Amino acid sequence: GQNIDQPTEMTATEGAIVQINCTYQTSGFNGLFWYQQHAGEAPTFLSYNVLDGLEEKGRFSSFLSRSKGYSYLLLKELQMKDSASYLCAVRDGDYKLSFGAGTTVTVRA
Amino acid sequence: ETGVTQSPTHLIKTRGQQVTLRCSSQSGHNTVSWYQQALGQGPQFIFQYYREEENGRGNFPPRFSGLQFPNYSSELNVNALELDDSALYLCARARRDHEQYFGPGTRLTVT
Repeated sequence: GQNIDQPTEMTATEGAIVQINCTYQTSGFNGLFWYQQHAGEAPTFLSYNVLDGLEEKGRFSSFLSRSKGYSYLLLKELQMKDSASYLCAVRDGDYKLSFGAGTTVTVRA
Repeated sequence: ETGVTQSPTHLIKTRGQQVTLRCSSQSGHNTVSWYQQALGQGPQFIFQYYREEENGRGNFPPRFSGLQFPNYSSELNVNALELDDSALYLCARARRDHEQYFGPGTRLTVT
């Protein structure tokens, strides 16, 4: 089976940095994804890691360690609009994604 | 803008009824996937279609079925609706090797 764990909630202050951790145990691995989902909306693609290391994309960075089954999403210079749910997902086939339950990030002024 | 559209936006059905949800895409890869997202949970994979054939299925009963058409559109059909089927249903299209883009979803409520 697939087991993907991430914290339920995190709170941070505007302008700060927040790191969302994700650990996974899956039957296969063909990439790890992070999605952002605002309430009532569809998930939007943020990042993709398939090799170990850090991928940086503007204010967002994502890290992967395949040997540890571990990833994190780093959000810098937090803005109010970053308040959302962040979903960690593992692709274990050609396209099928297995998602964690999501981490709700609340940004406070 | 992901180029993936879904209809209807919201739907209310009664237990035991049948429902058809639709997904369309302007263009892109031949693979379309459907996911169910219950409130407070991550999306759960229902099934995937490639070139109009189902080629992957999650842990969902046979009363969940689908179709894919040559014009990239797709349908999700659910028979004998149950209260637990109430969820957001998401259609995803693969655009490039690793990127999947989701449509806005259909919110289904079963009463």
